[in-house]
Amino acid sequence: AQSVTQPDIHITVSEGASLELRCNYSYGATPYLFWYVQSPGQGLQLLLKYFSGDTLVQGIKGFEAEFKRSQSSFNLRKPSVHWSDAAEYFCAVTGGDKIIFGKGTRLHILP
Amino acid sequence: GAGVSQSPSNKVTEKGKDVELRCDPISGHTALYWYRQRLGQGLEFLIYFQGNSAPDKSGLPSDRFSAERTGESVSTLTIQRTQQEDSAVYLCASAPGGVGSYEQYFGPGTRLTVT
Repeated sequence: AQSVTQPDIHITVSEGASLELRCNYSYGATPYLFWYVQSPGQGLQLLLKYFSGDTLVQGIKGFEAEFKRSQSSFNLRKPSVHWSDAAEYFCAVTGGDKIIFGKGTRLHILP
Repeated sequence: GAGVSQSPSNKVTEKGKDVELRCDPISGHTALYWYRQRLGQGLEFLIYFQGNSAPDKSGLPSDRFSAERTGESVSTLTIQRTQQEDSAVYLCASAPGGVGSYEQYFGPGTRLTVT
């Protein structure tokens, strides 16, 4: 069955520190992978996506993610977080018309 | 250009009443999705439209939930005889549709509170 696991429900980092949010997926074929961000009271905004090609993808707001097929992972990274990055982050996978979302990781930023 | 819009932004209703939630997708987007997001939870898929047909209704939680779409435009999600457990944010997303078009654009959501 298709699934997405985000092992960390909450993560707290200091402003300026690096960030890595974990995402593992289970999918029978070549997956298409996404990271979305949801700020409080807002809808979801696409940060980046992986369809094929270079396994390191760059997104908006300085985020990047790396697709590792051998580990079934698509972790999100940022070298230096800003207070405005505090939000909930969702990893998602699809191979067709329905997208499966993870349960999300809430990112807290310490000043 | 205009994004996905949803109305109302907030809805408070009494238990047992029916509610209708509206989604206006991005013009030209043939695919439309409804999700439910309970407080502190991830997104729960409800239903997907390609044009005005719904090939995947697998996520509708009960027969109190229904949705329709007019052509490739507006969709309404109807919840009959609302229950307190229906309280959630209902998110709509649209996509250009077709094979290889997987990026979804989300609306701001409708926050439903059942008292």
